[in-house]
Amino acid sequence: KAGVTQTPRYLIKTRGQQVTLSCSPISGHRSVSWYQQTPGQGLQFLFEYFSETQRNKGNFPGRFSGRQFSNSRSEMNVSTLELGDSALYLCASSLEAPDGAFFGQGTRLTVV
Amino acid sequence: AQSVAQPEDQVNVAEGNPLTVKCTYSVSGNPYLFWYVQYPNRGLQFLLKYITGDNLVKGSYGFEAEFNKSQTSFHLKKPSALVSDSALYFCAVIATDSWGKLQFGAGTQVVVTP
Repeated sequence: KAGVTQTPRYLIKTRGQQVTLSCSPISGHRSVSWYQQTPGQGLQFLFEYFSETQRNKGNFPGRFSGRQFSNSRSEMNVSTLELGDSALYLCASSLEAPDGAFFGQGTRLTVV
Repeated sequence: AQSVAQPEDQVNVAEGNPLTVKCTYSVSGNPYLFWYVQYPNRGLQFLLKYITGDNLVKGSYGFEAEFNKSQTSFHLKKPSALVSDSALYFCAVIATDSWGKLQFGAGTQVVVTP
């Protein structure tokens, strides 16, 4: 069974640009969550989608948004990039249960 | 509000010695607890979970964790550490009313020396 796939693995963007990251969950998983990991703030929850609906949202500005498609694939978008958005963005998928989440390899975003 | 604490930034252990990584939690209701490991430039790998049942949970790569409700702890253990266990370890909790959201501890860097 294929794991969680995130694309691209690495991105370099300029301040003010926007970026879209993609995540394909494990087959059969309908919940997809996104996390931001930085050295200073650690792992922070961005949002969770289930059946194309945002079910939970973390404390991030509105520049961070996401969506989920009918095949459970998810995208997150960051608009008007800031230097502080440089981070490893992790996607996780899970079953509809407190069963643990399975993570992708992440997308390393660098904003210059 | 739920929270997880990992009191040690780094744990150093010699290969072959027992390894313990500490985690305490604070949640309302019953906790669902997890341990993940992260190698450099990689995502998080699931090690084990406690949902209900036996307090001693066995996971991947020889790791186990002990759930202690009275001390609100969920320490990760391995009887004999390997150099390849050197990595960043995260404890996480989800609340019963928010299954899709993991709250992570700050992480503990484990360094196993030959």
